[in-house]
Amino acid sequence: DAKTTQPPSMDCAEGRAANLPCNHSTISGNEYVYWYRQIHSQGPQYIIHGLKNNETNEMASLIITEDRKSSTLILPHATLRDTAVYYCIVRVRNTGNQFYFGTGTSLTVIP
Amino acid sequence: GAGVSQSPSNKVTEKGKDVELRCDPISGHTALYWYRQSLGQGLEFLIYFQGNSAPDKSGLPSDRFSAERTGGSVSTLTIQRTQQEDSAVYLCASSLDSGGQFFGPGTRLTVL
Repeated sequence: DAKTTQPPSMDCAEGRAANLPCNHSTISGNEYVYWYRQIHSQGPQYIIHGLKNNETNEMASLIITEDRKSSTLILPHATLRDTAVYYCIVRVRNTGNQFYFGTGTSLTVIP
Repeated sequence: GAGVSQSPSNKVTEKGKDVELRCDPISGHTALYWYRQSLGQGLEFLIYFQGNSAPDKSGLPSDRFSAERTGGSVSTLTIQRTQQEDSAVYLCASSLDSGGQFFGPGTRLTVL
């Protein structure tokens, strides 16, 4: 699986959009971009995934660049409950192994 | 239920004892995964079940670890002769073929 690079931490004001970047310059053609988050002492929570088109669901939007070498997770109206570590992972869809979260981005939503 | 459930939520055992951890996936999800996570670490893949295919056991750290999935639904992870280094949070996840993985709350295993 391709490796990803994320900033270690970010702050966002409550109610504003949180834009979390991820670089995955070695992504291969059959690898998807997945985003998860983990709130302290809880299991990981799936957020969204995509291949090459932008995706939106009730939680977030995922913007993938045309060359697929980077992506941005957008939380449109951040709340205090969105404070968590966010992980960007690229992998062949639904393979079980090599699911390594890395260090992710620790997002702090500030009141 | 609406999500993945795991039991027990906490398990404290003595070194050398066997333990069984249970996972109830989301109904209709064909894929089931077991991972473990040590404090402050990423997820370590253990085993993956997909439908009726042979499971991918490539992540099991030793032959003391085994897992089964009965009837394509509930799964049990068994650790025999537990060691202190087995202490971790054991996470189960399930997914449809096309979607992301939904994780259970985990079982925190402590081996004394």
